[in-house]
Amino acid sequence: KAGVTQTPRYLIKTRGQQVTLSCSPISGHRSVSWYQQTPGQGLQFLFEYFSETQRNKGNFPGRFSGRQFSNSRSEMNVSTLELGDSALYLCASSLIQGGLKTQYFGPGTRLLVL
Amino acid sequence: DQQVKQNSPSLSVQEGRISILNCDYTNSMFDYFLWYKKYPAEGPTFLISISSIKDKNEDGRFTVFLNKSAKHLSLHIVPSQPGDSAVYFCAANSGAGSYQLTFGKGTKLSVIP
Repeated sequence: KAGVTQTPRYLIKTRGQQVTLSCSPISGHRSVSWYQQTPGQGLQFLFEYFSETQRNKGNFPGRFSGRQFSNSRSEMNVSTLELGDSALYLCASSLIQGGLKTQYFGPGTRLLVL
Repeated sequence: DQQVKQNSPSLSVQEGRISILNCDYTNSMFDYFLWYKKYPAEGPTFLISISSIKDKNEDGRFTVFLNKSAKHLSLHIVPSQPGDSAVYFCAANSGAGSYQLTFGKGTKLSVIP
């Protein structure tokens, strides 16, 4: 099976712009989660989608939003970009095995805000 | 308030010896724990996990131990290999229908040939 794919891999934007990142989960996985990784804060949970519904949201401002499509593909959007939004954005898709939930991560999108 | 803590930012181990990476948690609702390995500019790779109903899980060279009373888990790598050099993240899930993982800040393991 193909792994989680994310596009684009690298992105440079300027302050005030908006950006959309895309994630395709592993085939058959219906849950997609997004995380932000920065050197100071580590990996922080953004939100989780299951069957096109946001089930859980982390402690991020409303500028961060997402959605999931009927084929389980997901997008996240960041509006009015700030310098502090520069980070590696990771998408993970999830599988339940024996009642336990394991997340598998994509390679990430490296966003640089200038 | 960090609910998952990896107190050692770095660890150096000689090739062939045991690497022990530690993780502490504070949230007693966590019931599933995972270890991920991460290389720079790549996403985390799932290594091994353990449910709170167990105290040990083994997969090849990797063993995870869970001490619920101490809210502590550890990852043992035996024998350590130079290719194991990476950042290791401990993560926890609280179940209740959520897939959200809470991560520690990672421990950078260097295996010296």
